[in-house]
Amino acid sequence: GAGVSQSPSNKVTEKGKDVELRCDPISGHTALYWYRQSLGQGLEFLIYFQGNSAPDKSGLPSDRFSAERTGGSVSTLTIQRTQQEDSAVYLCASTRDRGLSIFFGQGTRLTVV
Amino acid sequence: KNEVEQSPQNLTAQEGEFITINCSYSVGISALHWLQQHPGGGIVSLFMLSSGKKKHGRLIATINIQEKHSSLHITASHPRDSAVYICAHMYSGGGADGLTFGKGTHLIIQP
Repeated sequence: GAGVSQSPSNKVTEKGKDVELRCDPISGHTALYWYRQSLGQGLEFLIYFQGNSAPDKSGLPSDRFSAERTGGSVSTLTIQRTQQEDSAVYLCASTRDRGLSIFFGQGTRLTVV
Repeated sequence: KNEVEQSPQNLTAQEGEFITINCSYSVGISALHWLQQHPGGGIVSLFMLSSGKKKHGRLIATINIQEKHSSLHITASHPRDSAVYICAHMYSGGGADGLTFGKGTHLIIQP
């Protein structure tokens, strides 16, 4: 597509429920990143996919968080048993390769009530 | 561990003023990005540079590799420049954890 697409744009969920956030990167971009931005905070790295390599999951805050990238394209970030502190904007970004221009999606605003 | 420091954290200026936002990092560089985030909006990449200087309209980005320092300048600032400006550093030899972000500079340009 023309840009990085994320869905949903907003998600309100009850504490304890699971949520799935989707990212559709720019076609041909091999690198895909998930970040989180809490209110008033900077960007926090979550996970990085590069091509067919094993993802770097070092930024995931707990084992309730997982992500996958199918066919080297679309990625899904799953948060199980959501907690209120999971409320944030979840941003996806892609690049054709490391060191090149990075493109961000509009983000998914997650609110856990 | 790579550290990225931005200054100032907050900046309020009058329309027309020359704006400078600074970014320092601690390890060698692969690429440095300047990003812009409007309130409630997505993040837009303004510049990516690994040496020298780049200019786009009223925006200028410079980097000094030896000093591990980059600056973003805005000339003839306008209220529509009000946004959070984020410096992001991708360093050579780093792991697969992608970019390291500064905390951002919240810029307000008053008419």
